[in-house]
Amino acid sequence: KAGVTQTPRYLIKTRGQQVTLSCSPISGHRSVSWYQQTPGQGLQFLFEYFSETQRNKGNFPGRFSGRQFSNSRSEMNVSTLELGDSALYLCASSPGQGQYEQYFGPGTRLTVT
Amino acid sequence: GEDVEQSLFLSVREGDSSVINCTYTDSSSTYLYWYKQEPGAGLQLLTYIFSNMDMKQDQRLTVLLNKKDKHLSLRIADTQTGDSAIYFCAEMGSNYQLIWGAGTKLIIKP
Repeated sequence: KAGVTQTPRYLIKTRGQQVTLSCSPISGHRSVSWYQQTPGQGLQFLFEYFSETQRNKGNFPGRFSGRQFSNSRSEMNVSTLELGDSALYLCASSPGQGQYEQYFGPGTRLTVT
Repeated sequence: GEDVEQSLFLSVREGDSSVINCTYTDSSSTYLYWYKQEPGAGLQLLTYIFSNMDMKQDQRLTVLLNKKDKHLSLRIADTQTGDSAIYFCAEMGSNYQLIWGAGTKLIIKP
């Protein structure tokens, strides 16, 4: 099976812009989670989707949002970018429904200038 | 609250065993994970263990779980230069989110 794919791999944006990141999970997986990784804060949970429903959300401002489509692909959006949003954004795919091993994509490296 | 702690660095000689330790606080955690991250790469799931298990072995990797002390360890036998990476311990918290340690950087000495 193909692994988790994330696009784009790298992005450079300026403050105030908005950005959309995409994640395609492993075929058959219905749960997608998003994490932010920074040197200062480490890995932090953003949100998790299962069958198009957001089941849980981390402690991030409302500028961070996401969605999941019927084919389990997911997008996350960050509006009004701030310098502190520069990070590696990781998407994880999981079968869900009692199976909770999470497989990660390579990440999207976002730089805000 | 939920928190995962691990040492920031571990240095071992090539060929020796590496033991990376982790403590967690949520006694209701059902899954505990070890991930590997190489420079510039995403997170690779190495292994995971259910909370009702004490030990899990997978080739060179051995995971030990002490639920009483909330202590998890990862042993890598015959450590090789390719094992150089940051190793993250994580527990599954409430509502399917992973709670992460800060990562242990494994340094291999020739």
